[in-house]
Amino acid sequence: EPEVTQTPSHQVTQMGQEVILRCVPISNHLYFYWYRQILGQKVEFLVSFYNNEISEKSEIFDDQFSVERPDGSNFTLKIRSTKLEDSAMYFCASRVTGGWTDTQYFGPGTRLTVL
Amino acid sequence: AQKVTQAQTEISVVEKEDVTLDCVYETRDTTYYLFWYKQPPSGELVFLIRRNSFDEQNEISGRYSWNFQKSTSSFNFTITASQVVDSAVYFCALRRDDKIIFGKGTRLHILP
Repeated sequence: EPEVTQTPSHQVTQMGQEVILRCVPISNHLYFYWYRQILGQKVEFLVSFYNNEISEKSEIFDDQFSVERPDGSNFTLKIRSTKLEDSAMYFCASRVTGGWTDTQYFGPGTRLTVL
Repeated sequence: AQKVTQAQTEISVVEKEDVTLDCVYETRDTTYYLFWYKQPPSGELVFLIRRNSFDEQNEISGRYSWNFQKSTSSFNFTITASQVVDSAVYFCALRRDDKIIFGKGTRLHILP
């Protein structure tokens, strides 16, 4: 069964460094998402992406964040200058079309630790 | 406001007992989707079920069942004959526009 994959599974970085989290959505999916889960808390929406542009972003997704689909398979989340409070699990998700019947399928997550 | 409330923060039951996880939602939309996700200790989010607002039929899948009641804005999840492998955090969620709004989750401990 096709799956969303994410790399790396765990990333440790120093505060102020840039990180890029990578996702490979399911191959025929057209809509892509990033969510964040701070340890012990609920999962929060960050951004949605379709047709090579951001569809919607939350207030969390400030200028430090950017997303890109550099080729036909990868979908990346970049944090330009990491802060301690960026430490969280980051989930990528994708779905097929814009229809209401679609389900977002989540990847296994990347745990980001900022020291 | 669009909101999902899971009032039970943590539940512990002994294996083979039945357990119900509560979920109450708020939405102004007339058409909406509700979800349950499981997050085992390994951390991934596992999709369990999607329910649309115009289908109030309850659903059963093996030991799992879901009770959707529009009148009380609830979408409760019952595990029958619980097993240790059911230990996880369970999230109820609501789809709003193109994003999913999650509740805070219920941590379920199944004790052997």
